[in-house]
Amino acid sequence: DAKTTQPNSMESNEEEPVHLPCNHSTISGTDYIHWYRQLPSQGPEYVIHGLTSNVNNRMASLAIAEDRKSSTLILHRATLRDAAVYYCIRIQGAQKLVFGQGTRLTINP
Amino acid sequence: NAGVTQTPKFQVLKTGQSMTLQCAQDMNHNSMYWYRQDPGMGLRLIYYSASEGTTDKGEVPNGYNVSRLNKREFSLRLESAAPSQTSVYFCASSEATGGLGETQYFGPGTRLLVL
Repeated sequence: DAKTTQPNSMESNEEEPVHLPCNHSTISGTDYIHWYRQLPSQGPEYVIHGLTSNVNNRMASLAIAEDRKSSTLILHRATLRDAAVYYCIRIQGAQKLVFGQGTRLTINP
Repeated sequence: NAGVTQTPKFQVLKTGQSMTLQCAQDMNHNSMYWYRQDPGMGLRLIYYSASEGTTDKGEVPNGYNVSRLNKREFSLRLESAAPSQTSVYFCASSEATGGLGETQYFGPGTRLLVL
């Protein structure tokens, strides 16, 4: 099964860190983990991706468990603009994204 | 760069009508994709084109046809629209250099209502 498991929704406060979990217990050795987010009424946008080790970029950090069966997207200091649906996706095959329902993140001012 | 552009933004059709959704990218990407997103759901892949001149079915291809007109443009056609095709349609592109883990870039979407 190519799907991942994420909580349906999470809530956090502005300027606090947010940890978005994702379970991918059946991941294979060459599958990448990608995170995309979708702001209201927009197309998805890429956030970050990784294979085995932790990754950082200007938007977020990605922490991948040692056994690769789970990962966590970390927003270090949430803003109201980070309110979106976050999708954790395994890449199987050549560049095919399989989207689940994602986690709807609400940020309280 | 405009990135990925889609036309039209909104469209209302009657059952049985046909229409073509247009998508263009200016990033010189090899691969292009069409997805649909139903309310409260994630995106589902309709068709994709790994390179100019090739197209392949995705998860939900029935009722749709595609044309990779050239490297820039990838169109999606509904020959006989049905209410079940009411959805938001997203086009995307990626470099597709052959390595896993490539980023896809999405357009703003076309909202389609079939009455």
